[in-house]
Amino acid sequence: QKEVEQNSGPLSVPEGAIASLNCTYSDRGSQSFFWYRQYSGKSPELIMFIYSNGDKEDGRFTAQLNKASQYVSLLIRDSQPSDSATYLCAVSVLVNFGNEKLTFGTGTRLTIIP
Amino acid sequence: GAGVSQSPSNKVTEKGKDVELRCDPISGHTALYWYRQSLGQGLEFLIYFQGNSAPDKSGLPSDRFSAERTGGSVSTLTIQRTQQEDSAVYLCASSLFLRQTVQRVQPYEQYFGPGTRLTVT
Repeated sequence: QKEVEQNSGPLSVPEGAIASLNCTYSDRGSQSFFWYRQYSGKSPELIMFIYSNGDKEDGRFTAQLNKASQYVSLLIRDSQPSDSATYLCAVSVLVNFGNEKLTFGTGTRLTIIP
Repeated sequence: GAGVSQSPSNKVTEKGKDVELRCDPISGHTALYWYRQSLGQGLEFLIYFQGNSAPDKSGLPSDRFSAERTGGSVSTLTIQRTQQEDSAVYLCASSLFLRQTVQRVQPYEQYFGPGTRLTVT
């Protein structure tokens, strides 16, 4: 089982609708969760991070974390064509006593249809 | 402020040659990661440096790959005897580490450099 799993997509969403991106992880000890956006040919850039169970909102973006279900999601409201990109989920993984490193999923490709 | 920088931005090399890729992290960032990304693929973790701890080399695909980080800052990824399958974008990322308790450190968000596109002919 991969440490971080995402549906590779592509996920197509009409402009103005809500895009929902999902991520599951295997390490119950994970504490930190990040969503990155990567445009084609560019480096990943951080969109949001979440540490606590529940929802965290930032503009059109909402991150949702459910540690019991080992599930983190990203909702994009009022989707715009400029949101078309690959979205990478990253989760902290314990590597040895006291230390953690981030592990990335393979990403979900999102296309917003005008 | 200055972000993560990488050099060169593009590198074309012949099969069998050695290459060195450089990463300058954000000043003060103690954690540094190297990743590889092939066209249309996800991020492949290569190696991770955190402060003075021994690096996590678990992602290096073969012993042709090595990396060092001098003085806790600049890092160099070296690929010896390059093969065509080494062609990819090599990304470097750095982050702060936030200490939560005496025993535990918490990773902070990573900032990525622009990458080095390596082409092995």
